[in-house]
Amino acid sequence: AQTVTQSQPEMSVQEAETVTLSCTYDTSENNYYLFWYKQPPSRQMILVIRQEAYKQQNATENRFSVNFQKAAKSFSLKISDSQLGDTAMYFCAFLYNNNDMRFGAGTRLTVKP
Amino acid sequence: DVKVTQSSRYLVKRTGEKVFLECVQDMDHENMFWYRQDPGLGLRLIYFSYDVKMKEKGDIPEGYSVSREKKERFSLILESASTNQTSMYLCASSLEGRVYGYTFGSGTRLTVV
Repeated sequence: AQTVTQSQPEMSVQEAETVTLSCTYDTSENNYYLFWYKQPPSRQMILVIRQEAYKQQNATENRFSVNFQKAAKSFSLKISDSQLGDTAMYFCAFLYNNNDMRFGAGTRLTVKP
Repeated sequence: DVKVTQSSRYLVKRTGEKVFLECVQDMDHENMFWYRQDPGLGLRLIYFSYDVKMKEKGDIPEGYSVSREKKERFSLILESASTNQTSMYLCASSLEGRVYGYTFGSGTRLTVV
């Protein structure tokens, strides 16, 4: 079974600085999808970024980018120029084929003014 | 703006009560999901449905049932609420191919006393 591990329960960063959230996963599959979701205090989970495992190029969405290391089974999220609105829980997720999406336990990120 | 709407944000019920959590999506998505979110455990899948009147058990279905009579509506039922079902419940939906991720509702915080 696929598992997703987020080893940092909590992190903090100063406004305007860069922070990296870690995620590792375990799978024997070759083609799969990885996601980062953000859950702000308002609670609605929103998709931040998505990576297709067969693509070598790292996905980027504005200030959010990933470092996808397929051999190491690592999928970290980098937030550049952190803003107060980035304060949230961040969940890493793994999807293979049409199976259940597997989520990590989450990292609580606080952006400090 | 596409939406997944959960009928209640906060709910307090008594032990032994039958509880209904409602979820409606307006995106014509085939798949709908119910997750439970607890601190340190991430999101755990309770049930999902890939079509009207179809349902599949997730990781933690015990004590829950679901109903999907219409494509846009997916209900989670706690047959006899217990205190260990106090949690945050998240509804989500996706296209038939899940590879573009899920759209989540805002969540229902259920407290069973």
